[in-house]
Amino acid sequence: AQSVSQHNHHVILSEAASLELGCNYSYGGTVNLFWYVQYPGQHLQLLLKYFSGDPLVKGIKGFEAEFIKSKFSFNLRKPSVQWSDTAEYFCAVNTGTASKLTFGTGTRLQVTL
Amino acid sequence: GAGVSQSPSNKVTEKGKDVELRCDPISGHTALYWYRQSLGQGLEFLIYFQGNSAPDKSGLPSDRFSAERTGGSVSTLTIQRTQQEDSAVYLCASSMRRGGTTDTQYFGPGTRLTVL
Repeated sequence: AQSVSQHNHHVILSEAASLELGCNYSYGGTVNLFWYVQYPGQHLQLLLKYFSGDPLVKGIKGFEAEFIKSKFSFNLRKPSVQWSDTAEYFCAVNTGTASKLTFGTGTRLQVTL
Repeated sequence: GAGVSQSPSNKVTEKGKDVELRCDPISGHTALYWYRQSLGQGLEFLIYFQGNSAPDKSGLPSDRFSAERTGGSVSTLTIQRTQQEDSAVYLCASSMRRGGTTDTQYFGPGTRLTVL
């Protein structure tokens, strides 16, 4: 079975700082990768996803993620965070044959003014 | 258009009672998922419905948990004889295509279940 690791549990950044959140998965076959975000008081929404093609994917609100197959990683990045990016970020994976998602434990991002 | 809706938003129950949680997927979405978000376990898959196929129940934690989907739309998750460890936020998601592994899953606001 696949699993997802997010090593950063709580990240605190100042506005305009650069962000990189780690995500590693374990599964030897074809995977599809997702980053979801949960803003305070709101429900989970998709930031971006990768399933084929260019391993650098761009999502909403200036976020991007890079799929590195050799490292089993799909790290999320943003060059300059804003206070409004304060949220919990979840990395998720499914396989080429089953659409149910396996989530990491999430990273709580706090952006200070 | 309308997103995934869930009811109730909050449910407090006593240990041993049965509860029913409801999910209304986005109109036209044929795939429906239930997940659970709890402090100790993070976000876990529970069950998946895809059209008229038999559901994937591989994530249900015990036989006290069951779910059905009527008419290919509304789904109900039932927990019998609730235990304190069932306390969690129960999330429903839907996606457009049947079994589309690359499809975006759209999540509802969740039902927060508290078992006293």
